[in-house]
Amino acid sequence: NAGVTQTPKFQVLKTGQSMTLQCAQDMNHNSMYWYRQDPGMGLRLIYYSASEGTTDKGEVPNGYNVSRLNKREFSLRLESAAPSQTSVYFCASSKNPGQGVYEQYFGPGTRLTVT
Amino acid sequence: AQKITQTQPGMFVQEKEAVTLDCTYDTSDQSYGLFWYKQPSSGEMIFLIYQGSYDEQNATEGRYSLNFQKARKSANLVISASQLGDSAMYFCAMREGQNGANNLFFGTGTRLTVIP
Repeated sequence: NAGVTQTPKFQVLKTGQSMTLQCAQDMNHNSMYWYRQDPGMGLRLIYYSASEGTTDKGEVPNGYNVSRLNKREFSLRLESAAPSQTSVYFCASSKNPGQGVYEQYFGPGTRLTVT
Repeated sequence: AQKITQTQPGMFVQEKEAVTLDCTYDTSDQSYGLFWYKQPSSGEMIFLIYQGSYDEQNATEGRYSLNFQKARKSANLVISASQLGDSAMYFCAMREGQNGANNLFFGTGTRLTVIP
């Protein structure tokens, strides 16, 4: 049981390049999330998927797209990377939307640098 | 307005002592949840404790307890008997409402250092 896995762990891009961050969970969770973490700030939600087949914008969606490929996988795409997207990206998942504890389980993060 | 405010950028505590990390929140929802996560230097996010807005008793999980004061909109984390391994960043987070995904709003964090 690996929990939430993310690939790659590190990535350096040049401005204008594109890339996709991959995330997978093996806990049969319905909901998945992408966050970014910048120095001195908490995590900010980029996009989320409440259930398979649905995606919605979070707090900072500009410059990103997502795909909920199936229940297990949720990818984040940068179409044209910018230096402002240099950050650590976390994927997370949780059991169900709604009340109850339903804490989010986080992946190990991807450290992305855009030069 | 910030939904979650953590006013202590850094805290120090002596090993075996207790420490309180402050968190205040802002919401007009009646139903919400409050979470604390720990982020060690290795970078992963570790769930510590949860408090629901309708829970009448303060949450406890081992050495962690949440001092929930609803009228003051505060949800402070108390760590008892601090250990060296408690040195990390601690984030307070809130989930609003009862429908939709469990979107979390995070504070800026408090860096805790445990002194031997």
